[in-house]
Amino acid sequence: DQQVKQNSPSLSVQEGRISILNCDYTNSMFDYFLWYKKYPAEGPTFLISISSIKDKNEDGRFTVFLNKSAKHLSLHIVPSQPGDSAVYFCAAKAGGTSYGKLTFGQGTILTVHP
Amino acid sequence: DTAVSQTPKYLVTQMGNDKSIKCEQNLGHDTMYWYKQDSKKFLKIMFSYNNKELIINETVPNRFSPKSPDKAHLNLHINSLELGDSAVYFCASQRPGLAVKETQYFGPGTRLLVL
Repeated sequence: DQQVKQNSPSLSVQEGRISILNCDYTNSMFDYFLWYKKYPAEGPTFLISISSIKDKNEDGRFTVFLNKSAKHLSLHIVPSQPGDSAVYFCAAKAGGTSYGKLTFGQGTILTVHP
Repeated sequence: DTAVSQTPKYLVTQMGNDKSIKCEQNLGHDTMYWYKQDSKKFLKIMFSYNNKELIINETVPNRFSPKSPDKAHLNLHINSLELGDSAVYFCASQRPGLAVKETQYFGPGTRLLVL
């Protein structure tokens, strides 16, 4: 039972264009969402997050949008750069006694072509 | 300096063996985690310790036993290794406090291959 899903295994984008990565979740108890970026042979690194009380959070070229009613979030990267090529993981947390447990999606491989 | 480190990075071993993976963080964090990334690429939580106390113990075979000698270390011992244990194991740590906003910092992973 995968509570967080990223249905696109891969995405290919031209440099300078927008990259949109999508994520869906099923657990209504999730109230905090994060995106992690992972390069080969490295661990995931935190990119950006959003609380369930917001619908948008922006950090430089990265913006995360949250649609609670649809249980959907997306990560926009504008403009995309070749260095953005990596695996992007969506993750979710529930507050309360979850002790920070992260539930991850399976990742989307982003390739940005020069 | 590496914030969260794991040793070894690669581990190739035979079925039935017992092995350990070590994790250390120098961030002063109180909470540490073990995640497993399986062949389908999902990262799934296995265990978590907060200030040396076990707080998360997911449905994991009891062949897996975490040990936290101090706040900066969380080791994972695996008995009687099976082929299905082959995966990448990631250690992570989080700042003091278990507020939902806290971010986890991950180690580089240990790639375990059981033959």
